[in-house]
Amino acid sequence: DIQMTQSPSSLSASVGDRVTITCRASQTFNNYLNWYQQKPGKAPKLLIYAASSLQTGVPSRFSGSGSGTDFTLTISSLQPEDFATYYCQQSDSVPHTFGQGTKLESK
Amino acid sequence: EVQLVESGGGLVQPGRSLRLSCAASGFSFSDYWMHWVRQAPGKGLVWVSRISPDGSRTDYADSVKGRFTISRDNAKNTLYLQMNSLTAEDTAVYYCARGDNRVPGIDYWGQGTLVTVSS
Repeated sequence: DIQMTQSPSSLSASVGDRVTITCRASQTFNNYLNWYQQKPGKAPKLLIYAASSLQTGVPSRFSGSGSGTDFTLTISSLQPEDFATYYCQQSDSVPHTFGQGTKLESK
Repeated sequence: EVQLVESGGGLVQPGRSLRLSCAASGFSFSDYWMHWVRQAPGKGLVWVSRISPDGSRTDYADSVKGRFTISRDNAKNTLYLQMNSLTAEDTAVYYCARGDNRVPGIDYWGQGTLVTVSS
């Protein structure tokens, strides 16, 4: 199984900050790497698919990059509605493993 | 609008069974892979299972293999998860999710149904 490790596990930031979350895989895979945002009590929402493609309707301040084993999610200018937990997921091979999550909190 | 509505969750005793359902609407259900993902209280997301559009292929996480069965009824636009031999470790919110047709993965999620395994 491919293990996904996110860093940091939690992050404090302020509105307007640039934020980067990293996801590292235990082995190389095709760039089927997805990023999801989840708010408390809600279902996850797809932000980025295939490492760098922005899901329709998602603000352009979100971007994804990376390949091989190292991937990043960047929020260029943090907005109040962005405080949430973020998960990466590889969907290249079964099981489609998730990272443990990164909780983004207001400083 | 894509809608996925789970049902069938609840309190169940260890060792018993439960079947979850997911009613899909707003898209051509029979064209999509479908997934189940779970989330224990206060924990992260865990992929559970997926099924191909025609139901001929299924995959499972090791933690549920042999105990859970995913299935679908394309005539009823409904996804199922039959869960047997439940343990406390299966306590979680179970999300039904649609596979992304552009690349492998998930693009839409239901709101989830809570399964609590306890005596």
